[in-house]
Amino acid sequence: DTAVSQTPKYLVTQMGNDKSIKCEQNLGHDTMYWYKQDSKKFLKIMFSYNNKELIINETVPNRFSPKSPDKAHLNLHINSLELGDSAVYFCASSQTSIHTGELFFGEGSRLTVL
Amino acid sequence: AQSVTQLGSHVSVSEGALVLLRCNYSSSVPPYLFWYVQYPNQGLQLLLKYTSAATLVKGINGFEAEFKKSETSFHLTKPSAHMSDAAEYFCAVTKPPPTGNQFYFGTGTSLTVIP
Repeated sequence: DTAVSQTPKYLVTQMGNDKSIKCEQNLGHDTMYWYKQDSKKFLKIMFSYNNKELIINETVPNRFSPKSPDKAHLNLHINSLELGDSAVYFCASSQTSIHTGELFFGEGSRLTVL
Repeated sequence: AQSVTQLGSHVSVSEGALVLLRCNYSSSVPPYLFWYVQYPNQGLQLLLKYTSAATLVKGINGFEAEFKKSETSFHLTKPSAHMSDAAEYFCAVTKPPPTGNQFYFGTGTSLTVIP
C-alpha cells in the first residue's frame, strides 16, 4: 500500500501545453509539499500546504498552481509549459506536529517538455 | 536561516571499503538532521535522522551518522560498502516541531561503488 503516490509517473508534452500532476498520501499527515529536482539532482522546494493552507510558496512562476482539495491530496497544475520545466517533480508529506517529522516522498513524476 | 553543505558531489569507494559522506549544517536553532538516499529512478527514502536524542544515529542498511555540534557536522558513514549502496545521498535540515515545515536539502553526493 503506497504511502505517497503520484500520477502520472511520466509525462511527455509539447511546449505551450498545460498539464497536471496528482498526489495523494494515506499517512494521515498534515503537511504536503512539491519539490522540483533538476538534471543535476538539485532539490528545490516549490510549495507546501499545511491542512489545506498554503504555507510555503517559493519563487515559482505563476504558471505553476498547486491545489489542495483536502489534506490528503495536493495537485500541481502547470500552464504554458516551457523547456525549462523539464524535471522530476516529487510530492512529499510530513506530520509537523509530532516529534519525528521526516518527509515521506512519492516516486516522482518525470516531466519532459519538447 | 538554515542550510546544509555536502562536500563532494561525487564519491567513489571500493566494495568493502569505508563510506564517508560529509554534511555540515548551519542553523539558528538546534536542528533536526536527516540523510536520505535516492536510487536511480526512485523517490527519496529516509536513511536516518537526528532529533536531539542520541548523537550517534543508526539507520537502515548499516549506515550511521554522528551529530557533532562543535563541528556543525552530521557525516554519514558505513564500515563496508556494498554494490547496492550506489545511489545519490542527500543531507537535510529542518527546525524541530511545531515549526519544522521547511526542509533544506544539500546538493547531494553521488556514491559510486567500484567492484
